[in-house]
Amino acid sequence: NAGVTQTPKFQVLKTGQSMTLQCAQDMNHEYMSWYRQDPGMGLRLIHYSVGAGITDQGEVPNGYNVSRSTTEDFPLRLLSAAPSQTSVYFCASSYSRRTYEQYFGPGTRLTVT
Amino acid sequence: AQTVTQSQPEMSVQEAETVTLSCTYDTSESDYYLFWYKQPPSRQMILVIRQEAYKQQNATENRFSVNFQKAAKSFSLKISDSQLGDAAMYFCAYRTAFSGNTPLVFGKGTRLSVIA
Repeated sequence: NAGVTQTPKFQVLKTGQSMTLQCAQDMNHEYMSWYRQDPGMGLRLIHYSVGAGITDQGEVPNGYNVSRSTTEDFPLRLLSAAPSQTSVYFCASSYSRRTYEQYFGPGTRLTVT
Repeated sequence: AQTVTQSQPEMSVQEAETVTLSCTYDTSESDYYLFWYKQPPSRQMILVIRQEAYKQQNATENRFSVNFQKAAKSFSLKISDSQLGDAAMYFCAYRTAFSGNTPLVFGKGTRLSVIA
């Protein structure tokens, strides 16, 4: 199993550009989520999905879109990048049961200039 | 909404000594999970230890143990015989047990330095 994979590892965007951060998992996990990590802020939830076709907003959803067309993939879209979106982004997944562990991808460091 | 507080932004410990990282949380639920995650410079989030709220026994994983005080809503992490490889950011996290389809709520983290 590859676990949770994220691409790219690093990305630099100009203000106003759009891009998609990719996230995939091969563990057949129903639950997937996106977090952003900023210095001194911990990890904050952006969006999450409890299964294919179902998504919901987290704590900081503005400026981001998600969709979940398959169980494996959960891409995060930035429609018009802003410097405030400079951050490290983590994708995580877990089984949809009374279980506990979330598995994290390696993260994407995004810089918006 | 649940909140998680880590009151120590930075800690340091001498190699081979013991250090305790603090975490408190606020919730009205009775059934939940608590976690400590380690984030080394590689950025990868690594699960260190987890605790089910309905279990009174404190979880232990090798040199890592927790002191879970449910009434006080406290969940501290003790690292014994600290090693250089323990240097990292440590995050405390909460997850409700009401459903498996819930996100983690993280504290802001504690940066641990290990002095040789």
